[in-house]
Amino acid sequence: KQEVTQIPAALSVPEGENLVLNCSFTDSAIYNLQWFRQDPGKGLTSLLLIQSSQREQTSGRLNASLDKSSGRSTLYIAASQPGDSATYLCAVRPNKAAGNKLTFGGGTRVLVKP
Amino acid sequence: EAQVTQNPRYLITVTGKKLTVTCSQNMNHEYMSWYRQDPGLGLRQIYYSMNVEVTDKGDVPEGYKVSRKEKRNFPLILESPSPNQTSLYFCASSLGLAGTSYEQYFGPGTRLTVT
Repeated sequence: KQEVTQIPAALSVPEGENLVLNCSFTDSAIYNLQWFRQDPGKGLTSLLLIQSSQREQTSGRLNASLDKSSGRSTLYIAASQPGDSATYLCAVRPNKAAGNKLTFGGGTRVLVKP
Repeated sequence: EAQVTQNPRYLITVTGKKLTVTCSQNMNHEYMSWYRQDPGLGLRQIYYSMNVEVTDKGDVPEGYKVSRKEKRNFPLILESPSPNQTSLYFCASSLGLAGTSYEQYFGPGTRLTVT
C-alpha cells in the first residue's frame, strides 16, 4: 500500500529565505506526483505536476524535483514571501490503483515571517 | 473559467437527516472523485467515477452514496449522517482515465458539521 510522508509537519522561515519541502513515498512505481497549496479553510490549488518520466518541473519561483528510485520529491520555493504562508501537500498517483486516486501526504504547514 | 464548484460551502445538520452535496465541473472531465480531509488523517478518497454511470468505492465509502447521471455532475449523498462524518469534503476532477497522467482539479471544499 502506497504511503506518502511529508517532513517536517510545520516550518517557519524569515521572508526572503528559500523554502525546501520534502515528500517521500514508499512505492516508487507511480504515474505522477502533484504538489498542492492549501490556504486555511480553502480548497487545494495545484502548483506543479511531475510525470513519472520527468525529473523536475518549474513554475516561476517554484521548482519540484522527482527521484522515483529513492521515492522522493522536493519542492523548492525561492525567495519566500509572506504570501507563501500556507499548507503544502504532495500527492502521488499510485501505479496500480483503480481510477485516478491520489494518495496524499499529511502536508507541511509553512509560515513566512515578514 | 474552468472550475469545479461545490454546494453548499458550509452545512450544519443533525444526525440522521439526509443531505446532498453537489459537485459540478465545466471542463468536460471524465474522472471525478470525492475526498474527505480530517486532522491527522489527511485527504482520503470516498468514491470515484470513471465516467457517466460508472462509479466505485474509494478508501472510506461507508455511509456515503454517489451518482453520475451526467458527465459534469457528481453529487455526494449522506443518507443518514452521523457525527463521525463531520469533515471537510472536496470534489475533484481530471480529464483522463486510469493509465493517464492528467492533473487533478479540486473544488473549494464543503465544511460539514453533523451534531
